[in-house]
Amino acid sequence: NAGVTQTPKFQVLKTGQSMTLQCAQDMNHNSMYWYRQDPGMGLRLIYYSASEGTTDKGEVPNGYNVSRLNKREFSLRLESAAPSQTSVYFCASMTGGASNEQFFGPGTRLTVL
Amino acid sequence: GEDVEQSLFLSVREGDSSVINCTYTDSSSTYLYWYKQEPGAGLQLLTYIFSNMDMKQDQRLTVLLNKKDKHLSLRIADTQTGDSAIYFCAEWSNTGKLIFGQGTTLQVKP
Repeated sequence: NAGVTQTPKFQVLKTGQSMTLQCAQDMNHNSMYWYRQDPGMGLRLIYYSASEGTTDKGEVPNGYNVSRLNKREFSLRLESAAPSQTSVYFCASMTGGASNEQFFGPGTRLTVL
Repeated sequence: GEDVEQSLFLSVREGDSSVINCTYTDSSSTYLYWYKQEPGAGLQLLTYIFSNMDMKQDQRLTVLLNKKDKHLSLRIADTQTGDSAIYFCAEWSNTGKLIFGQGTTLQVKP
């Protein structure tokens, strides 16, 4: 039982390049989330998927797209990377229970030059 | 709008108690959470409290909730160097999302 896995762990891009961050969970959770973490700003929600086949914008969606490929996988795409997207990206999935506990992946550290 | 505020830094001596404070704005929050982030890692849920509770204790951790003042605190008794981390307060808002504070970096000095 690996929980939430993310690839890659580290990535350096040049401005204008594109890339996809991968996330998978093996806990059979319906809901999945993408956050970015910046110093002094906590975690901000980029996009989320309440169930397979649905996606919705969070607080900071501009410059990103997502795909909920199936129940296990939720990917985040940067079409044209900008230095402002330098951040640590976390994927999370959530139980359907009353406590709404979210389980987080280890993160992807992205630098855009 | 929804907002969660925390102080950014706390330094304590090993063996002392640590108290990390948090304020939130959404009075309809059902659950409030404390997450811990160790260096280079993701967030891990430490504990949570339901909004109709005032206190929750779990071993060295005590969570206090003052709904009137929208204030949440996390007390760590007998703080150890392994408790050094960033602690995030979060609320489950009525929009169905988790809203995080900025995180409090806890430094434990030997």
